[in-house]
Amino acid sequence: AQSVTQLGSHVSVSEGALVLLRCNYSSSVPPYLFWYVQYPNQGLQLLLKYTTGATLVKGINGFEAEFKKSETSFHLTKPSAHMSDAAEYFCAVSDRTFGNEKLTFGTGTRLTIIP
Amino acid sequence: DGGITQSPKYLFRKEGQNVTLSCEQNLNHDAMYWYRQDPGQGLRLIYYSQIVNDFQKGDIAEGYSVSREKKESFPLTVTSAQKNPTAFYLCASSARVGNQPQHFGDGTRLSIL
Repeated sequence: AQSVTQLGSHVSVSEGALVLLRCNYSSSVPPYLFWYVQYPNQGLQLLLKYTTGATLVKGINGFEAEFKKSETSFHLTKPSAHMSDAAEYFCAVSDRTFGNEKLTFGTGTRLTIIP
Repeated sequence: DGGITQSPKYLFRKEGQNVTLSCEQNLNHDAMYWYRQDPGQGLRLIYYSQIVNDFQKGDIAEGYSVSREKKESFPLTVTSAQKNPTAFYLCASSARVGNQPQHFGDGTRLSIL
Protein backbone atom coordinates (compact mmCIF):
# COMPACT_ATOMS: atom_id res chain seq x y z
CA ALA A 1 0.00 0.00 0.00
CA GLN A 2 1.14 3.50 -0.73
CA SER A 3 1.79 6.03 1.99
CA VAL A 4 2.56 9.73 2.08
CA THR A 5 4.55 11.52 4.75
CA GLN A 6 4.44 15.26 5.23
CA LEU A 7 7.18 16.39 7.58
CA GLY A 8 6.00 19.14 9.87
CA SER A 9 2.33 19.49 10.72
CA HIS A 10 2.88 23.22 11.26
CA VAL A 11 5.27 25.50 9.38
CA SER A 12 5.70 29.22 9.99
CA VAL A 13 7.54 31.57 7.67
CA SER A 14 7.89 35.33 7.49
CA GLU A 15 6.18 37.24 4.72
CA GLY A 16 8.57 37.38 1.76
CA ALA A 17 10.57 34.35 2.89
CA LEU A 18 10.93 31.03 1.11
CA VAL A 19 8.19 28.47 1.65
CA LEU A 20 9.25 24.81 1.73
CA LEU A 21 6.72 22.08 2.50
CA ARG A 22 8.01 18.53 2.48
CA CYS A 23 6.37 15.43 1.04
CA ASN A 24 7.78 11.92 0.74
CA TYR A 25 5.98 8.88 -0.64
CA SER A 26 6.57 5.19 -0.40
CA SER A 27 5.83 3.23 -3.53
CA SER A 28 7.85 0.79 -5.61
CA VAL A 29 6.61 2.49 -8.76
CA PRO A 30 6.56 6.29 -8.86
CA PRO A 31 2.93 7.33 -8.48
CA TYR A 32 1.09 10.34 -9.77
CA LEU A 33 1.71 13.19 -7.32
CA PHE A 34 -0.49 16.10 -6.31
CA TRP A 35 -0.45 19.09 -4.00
CA TYR A 36 -3.72 20.57 -2.78
CA VAL A 37 -4.45 23.66 -0.69
CA GLN A 38 -7.34 24.05 1.73
CA TYR A 39 -8.57 27.32 3.19
CA PRO A 40 -10.68 27.26 6.38
CA ASN A 41 -14.08 25.60 6.01
CA GLN A 42 -13.56 25.00 2.31
CA GLY A 43 -12.79 22.08 0.05
CA LEU A 44 -9.43 21.27 -1.47
CA GLN A 45 -8.08 23.11 -4.50
CA LEU A 46 -5.45 21.64 -6.79
CA LEU A 47 -2.15 23.53 -6.73
CA LEU A 48 -0.17 21.34 -9.10
CA LYS A 49 0.43 17.78 -10.21
CA TYR A 50 3.19 15.58 -11.58
CA THR A 51 2.31 12.76 -13.93
CA THR A 52 5.17 12.45 -16.39
CA GLY A 53 7.82 14.49 -18.19
CA ALA A 54 9.59 17.47 -16.66
CA THR A 55 10.24 16.89 -12.98
CA LEU A 56 9.87 20.56 -11.99
CA VAL A 57 6.19 21.38 -12.03
CA LYS A 58 4.75 24.88 -11.79
CA GLY A 59 1.35 25.47 -10.28
CA ILE A 60 -1.00 28.24 -9.33
CA ASN A 61 -0.22 31.12 -6.97
CA GLY A 62 3.53 30.95 -7.67
CA PHE A 63 4.04 27.48 -6.19
CA GLU A 64 6.19 24.81 -7.74
CA ALA A 65 7.31 21.30 -6.82
CA GLU A 66 10.09 19.02 -7.94
CA PHE A 67 9.74 15.27 -8.30
CA LYS A 68 12.91 13.49 -7.17
CA LYS A 69 12.67 9.79 -7.80
CA SER A 70 15.90 8.95 -6.00
CA GLU A 71 14.65 10.65 -2.85
CA THR A 72 10.97 9.61 -3.31
CA SER A 73 10.09 13.23 -2.67
CA PHE A 74 7.81 15.91 -4.06
CA HIS A 75 8.49 19.01 -2.00
CA LEU A 76 6.46 22.17 -2.53
CA THR A 77 8.17 25.56 -2.70
CA LYS A 78 7.40 29.22 -3.23
CA PRO A 79 10.18 31.81 -3.38
CA SER A 80 8.38 34.55 -1.50
CA ALA A 81 5.52 33.95 0.95
CA HIS A 82 2.44 36.12 0.90
CA MET A 83 -0.11 36.53 3.67
CA SER A 84 -2.73 34.92 1.42
CA ASP A 85 -0.69 31.69 1.40
CA ALA A 86 -1.76 30.90 4.96
CA ALA A 87 -3.71 27.65 4.62
CA GLU A 88 -3.37 23.89 5.00
CA TYR A 89 -1.51 22.00 2.32
CA PHE A 90 -1.93 18.35 1.43
CA CYS A 91 0.31 16.11 -0.62
CA ALA A 92 -1.42 13.16 -2.30
CA VAL A 93 -0.50 10.26 -4.53
CA SER A 94 -2.44 7.95 -6.81
CA ASP A 95 -1.53 4.62 -8.33
CA ARG A 96 -0.63 4.44 -12.01
CA THR A 97 -2.75 1.34 -12.40
CA PHE A 98 -5.77 1.89 -14.64
CA GLY A 99 -9.00 1.81 -12.71
CA ASN A 100 -7.31 2.63 -9.42
CA GLU A 101 -7.68 6.37 -9.18
CA LYS A 102 -7.96 6.59 -5.43
CA LEU A 103 -5.83 9.21 -3.72
CA THR A 104 -3.76 8.62 -0.62
CA PHE A 105 -3.29 11.83 1.34
CA GLY A 106 -0.66 12.99 3.76
CA THR A 107 -1.81 14.36 7.09
CA GLY A 108 -1.33 17.95 5.96
CA THR A 109 0.88 20.91 6.82
CA ARG A 110 -0.62 24.08 8.22
CA LEU A 111 1.28 27.09 6.88
CA THR A 112 1.32 30.27 8.95
CA ILE A 113 2.71 33.52 7.52
CA ILE A 114 4.30 35.94 9.98
CA PRO A 115 3.83 39.62 9.02
CA ASP B 1 -19.40 26.77 -14.27
CA GLY B 2 -18.90 23.08 -13.65
CA GLY B 3 -18.33 21.94 -10.13
CA ILE B 4 -19.39 19.97 -7.10
CA THR B 5 -22.16 21.08 -4.78
CA GLN B 6 -22.41 19.75 -1.26
CA SER B 7 -25.37 20.46 0.99
CA PRO B 8 -26.05 21.39 3.63
CA LYS B 9 -22.96 23.29 4.73
CA TYR B 10 -23.73 22.62 8.40
CA LEU B 11 -25.70 19.68 9.78
CA PHE B 12 -26.63 18.60 13.27
CA ARG B 13 -27.49 15.06 14.26
CA LYS B 14 -29.38 13.83 17.27
CA GLU B 15 -28.48 10.59 19.00
CA GLY B 16 -29.87 7.57 17.15
CA GLN B 17 -30.64 9.56 14.02
CA ASN B 18 -29.53 8.89 10.46
CA VAL B 19 -28.59 11.91 8.37
CA THR B 20 -27.88 12.21 4.66
CA LEU B 21 -25.29 14.48 3.07
CA SER B 22 -25.87 15.51 -0.51
CA CYS B 23 -23.22 15.65 -3.25
CA GLU B 24 -23.99 16.65 -6.84
CA GLN B 25 -21.53 17.18 -9.69
CA ASN B 26 -21.96 18.54 -13.22
CA LEU B 27 -18.44 17.74 -14.41
CA ASN B 28 -19.52 14.54 -16.17
CA HIS B 29 -17.11 12.56 -14.02
CA ASP B 30 -17.53 8.82 -13.64
CA ALA B 31 -15.80 8.52 -10.27
CA MET B 32 -16.99 10.04 -7.00
CA TYR B 33 -15.60 9.88 -3.48
CA TRP B 34 -16.49 10.66 0.11
CA TYR B 35 -13.82 11.65 2.62
CA ARG B 36 -13.89 12.37 6.31
CA GLN B 37 -11.54 15.02 7.66
CA ASP B 38 -10.55 15.24 11.31
CA PRO B 39 -7.93 17.64 12.69
CA GLY B 40 -4.41 16.30 12.27
CA GLN B 41 -5.50 13.20 10.37
CA GLY B 42 -5.73 14.39 6.82
CA LEU B 43 -8.46 12.96 4.62
CA ARG B 44 -9.68 9.42 5.04
CA LEU B 45 -11.69 7.66 2.33
CA ILE B 46 -15.15 6.48 3.36
CA TYR B 47 -16.65 5.19 0.09
CA TYR B 48 -16.00 5.62 -3.59
CA SER B 49 -17.84 4.86 -6.78
CA GLN B 50 -16.31 4.40 -10.19
CA ILE B 51 -19.53 3.97 -12.10
CA VAL B 52 -23.28 4.26 -11.65
CA ASN B 53 -24.85 1.53 -9.51
CA ASP B 54 -21.48 0.43 -8.15
CA PHE B 55 -19.47 1.52 -5.13
CA GLN B 56 -16.74 0.21 -2.86
CA LYS B 57 -15.82 0.66 0.77
CA GLY B 58 -12.89 2.85 1.61
CA ASP B 59 -10.77 2.76 4.72
CA ILE B 60 -13.43 3.83 7.23
CA ALA B 61 -16.80 2.68 5.84
CA GLU B 62 -18.30 1.37 9.09
CA GLY B 63 -21.35 3.36 10.13
CA TYR B 64 -21.82 4.93 6.68
CA SER B 65 -23.80 4.02 3.57
CA VAL B 66 -23.98 5.40 0.03
CA SER B 67 -25.90 5.01 -3.20
CA ARG B 68 -25.06 5.86 -6.81
CA GLU B 69 -28.27 5.80 -8.80
CA LYS B 70 -27.27 8.68 -11.06
CA LYS B 71 -23.93 9.74 -12.46
CA GLU B 72 -24.34 13.21 -11.02
CA SER B 73 -25.24 12.24 -7.47
CA PHE B 74 -23.50 10.36 -4.65
CA PRO B 75 -25.30 10.89 -1.32
CA LEU B 76 -23.73 9.75 1.95
CA THR B 77 -25.82 8.57 4.91
CA VAL B 78 -24.28 8.74 8.35
CA THR B 79 -26.12 6.09 10.33
CA SER B 80 -26.69 5.80 14.06
CA ALA B 81 -24.03 3.06 14.05
CA GLN B 82 -21.36 5.72 13.51
CA LYS B 83 -20.58 6.58 17.12
CA ASN B 84 -18.27 9.50 16.43
CA PRO B 85 -19.73 11.30 13.43
CA THR B 86 -18.54 14.82 14.25
CA ALA B 87 -16.23 15.77 11.39
CA PHE B 88 -15.89 17.69 8.15
CA TYR B 89 -17.09 15.65 5.17
CA LEU B 90 -15.76 16.24 1.68
CA CYS B 91 -17.10 14.92 -1.59
CA ALA B 92 -14.92 14.72 -4.69
CA SER B 93 -15.15 13.56 -8.27
CA SER B 94 -12.72 12.71 -11.03
CA ALA B 95 -12.37 11.20 -14.44
CA ARG B 96 -11.46 7.52 -14.36
CA VAL B 97 -7.86 8.23 -15.20
CA GLY B 98 -5.27 8.28 -12.45
CA ASN B 99 -3.37 11.27 -13.73
CA GLN B 100 -6.41 13.51 -13.50
CA PRO B 101 -6.98 15.38 -10.26
CA GLN B 102 -9.96 15.05 -8.03
CA HIS B 103 -12.28 18.04 -7.75
CA PHE B 104 -13.72 18.81 -4.34
CA GLY B 105 -16.88 20.34 -2.98
CA ASP B 106 -16.86 22.85 -0.13
CA GLY B 107 -17.74 20.30 2.49
CA THR B 108 -20.39 19.63 5.11
CA ARG B 109 -19.63 20.05 8.79
CA LEU B 110 -21.57 17.53 10.88
CA SER B 111 -21.99 17.98 14.62
CA ILE B 112 -23.83 16.11 17.33
CA LEU B 113 -26.59 17.80 19.31
